[in-house]
Amino acid sequence: DAKTTQPPSMDCAEGRAANLPCNHSTISGNEYVYWYRQIHSQGPQYIIHGLKNNETNEMASLIITEDRKSSTLILPHATLRDTAVYYCIVRVAHTDKLIFGTGTRLQVFP
Amino acid sequence: DVKVTQSSRYLVKRTGEKVFLECVQDMDHENMFWYRQDPGLGLRLIYFSYDVKMKEKGDIPEGYSVSREKKERFSLILESASTNQTSMYLCASSLSPQAYEQYFGPGTRLTVT
Repeated sequence: DAKTTQPPSMDCAEGRAANLPCNHSTISGNEYVYWYRQIHSQGPQYIIHGLKNNETNEMASLIITEDRKSSTLILPHATLRDTAVYYCIVRVAHTDKLIFGTGTRLQVFP
Repeated sequence: DVKVTQSSRYLVKRTGEKVFLECVQDMDHENMFWYRQDPGLGLRLIYFSYDVKMKEKGDIPEGYSVSREKKERFSLILESASTNQTSMYLCASSLSPQAYEQYFGPGTRLTVT
């Protein structure tokens, strides 16, 4: 079973920040939070990951709460090409396994 | 750029046929993975491999086998295809067990009739 809970869908206006929440209340101390996205008809694409500190890269920012039970992926200026299913994943400790849930379908509208 | 390619985008097979799905990566990655994706169930791991001739069962290995004779190639085999194996199959690779990022191929949509 997936160890994360995400809303099934969200909308965001183009140019605005998209904030995608994720709950992972049973996360262990050495498990990372990963985010991937899947654009229609493509394979999933890695976005970002973190352990306990906030992270930022060219694609997005990841905010992890102090108790690590939840996190938020932020796309600072969403574009139409960001329309996709976004997966929040907890990496199983000491393995390379990623357990995907059903994700959040983000629709960016003009 | 890392490239993961899969032999077919679409495949139609009959029940009972033996089916081979091929995956090739061009970046000398150690790890390779096979997932299937179904509506409402997300991606589920079938098998993975950390090295040539090594394989590990994922969460749903029943009805599948794999082969990794060369580092760059990872094959998924359906010994006797069944209709409940109709699905999108995704291959992925990662540099090493410590690598954080998996690179996915475009997927093969398999229909078993």
